[in-house]
Amino acid sequence: KQEVTQIPAALSVPEGENLVLNCSFTDSAIYNLQWFRQDPGKGLTSLLLIQSSQREQTSGRLNASLDKSSGRSTLYIAASQPGDSATYLCAVRPNSSASKIIFGSGTRLSIRP
Amino acid sequence: DAGVIQSPRHEVTEMGQEVTLRCKPISGHDYLFWYRQTMMRGLELLIYFNNNVPIDDSGMPEDRFSAKMPNASFSTLKIQPSEPRDSAVYFCASSTPDLAAYEQYFGPGTRLTVT
Repeated sequence: KQEVTQIPAALSVPEGENLVLNCSFTDSAIYNLQWFRQDPGKGLTSLLLIQSSQREQTSGRLNASLDKSSGRSTLYIAASQPGDSATYLCAVRPNSSASKIIFGSGTRLSIRP
Repeated sequence: DAGVIQSPRHEVTEMGQEVTLRCKPISGHDYLFWYRQTMMRGLELLIYFNNNVPIDDSGMPEDRFSAKMPNASFSTLKIQPSEPRDSAVYFCASSTPDLAAYEQYFGPGTRLTVT
């Protein structure tokens, strides 16, 4: 059974720092992995999606990497800003159908001005 | 595109009452998902539809929960009778196979409080 873990559950860093959020999964046979952002009281916004054949994806100050063999993904945020404060969730899709994706519990990120 | 639309945004009801949550997926999306989010359990998939047909409802907690998708632009999640432990944020999401990645787009959620 696929399990997705995100550690730490919460992280606080000063503005301007580069930071890395971690996601690990127990079964390396995945189709893709997606990173989401959730602001308090809001829905989820997709940030980056990495297919199983890819190693990384970049969007602006965000870079997501995927290492299937070790069951890990990281989300790198460069030059953090207070507006980056949110909960970040990763989710894996086990196969190529549009079936359920499995979410981690998220990392609540706080950027201190 | 207006994105996934959910209504109501907030619902407060008394135990035993019927609750109906509504969702309008993004036009053209073939898949629709209902999730529940709580502090204790995180995000849980309740049910998903493909072309208006329920595909997997194994996440529906019990018979008090039911979901329908009468057409491609509308779905409902009903709880009857509601209980305090149903209090959560309920999200609807939709996706399309066109992009191959099946990227999911989420609505803003309905915050349900059962007293």
